[in-house]
Amino acid sequence: AQTVTQSQPEMSVQEAETVTLSCTYDTSENNYYLFWYKQPPSRQMILVIRQEAYKQQNATENRFSVNFQKAAKSFSLKISDSQLGDTAMYFCAFITDKLIFGTGTRLQVFP
Amino acid sequence: ETGVTQTPRHLVMGMTNKKSLKCEQHLGHNAMYWYKQSAKKPLELMFVYSLEERVENNSVPSRFSPECPNSSHLFLHLHTLQPEDSALYLCASSQDWGPRETQYFGPGTRLLVL
Repeated sequence: AQTVTQSQPEMSVQEAETVTLSCTYDTSENNYYLFWYKQPPSRQMILVIRQEAYKQQNATENRFSVNFQKAAKSFSLKISDSQLGDTAMYFCAFITDKLIFGTGTRLQVFP
Repeated sequence: ETGVTQTPRHLVMGMTNKKSLKCEQHLGHNAMYWYKQSAKKPLELMFVYSLEERVENNSVPSRFSPECPNSSHLFLHLHTLQPEDSALYLCASSQDWGPRETQYFGPGTRLLVL
């Protein structure tokens, strides 16, 4: 079975600090794509960052970066210089034939 | 605004009612999806349409009936729902259907079944 595990239901961080959200997944496929989505309280799910599994280089998108460890099936998200607007649910997901989501991590950024 | 809109944003219905959820995408995409989001559960894929043809139906009860009249619009028709169907229903679209595609989500319809 293909699964995504986000072991941190809730996390908090102070503004301007760095936080890392963890994600592990399980699949027998070799080619797939990984995503982090953000769902703010308004509930519009927004793509944060995307990683292609065949690429060893970790994806970066401004303050967001990932640590992709394919052998360990780990795909963590690092948010640098956290901002109040980063407060949201964060979902890790991967796609082979369909998009599989984790249960999410609720991140609270405090001033 | 991501280019995917959903109406209504909130819906309360009784178990004997019939209602429809609407999704519209303004991105020129060819694939559209319905997901169910329940508290503390991963998003569940319900239906996938590619070029207006249904390509996936994930064992969804027949009380949920999708319709895709064209590549920009997707409906979810609801009838004789159960209280456990209360959830956030998300629509998404992608350029095409396949593993390379990034899906873009709408804001969701919060459904409460009484």
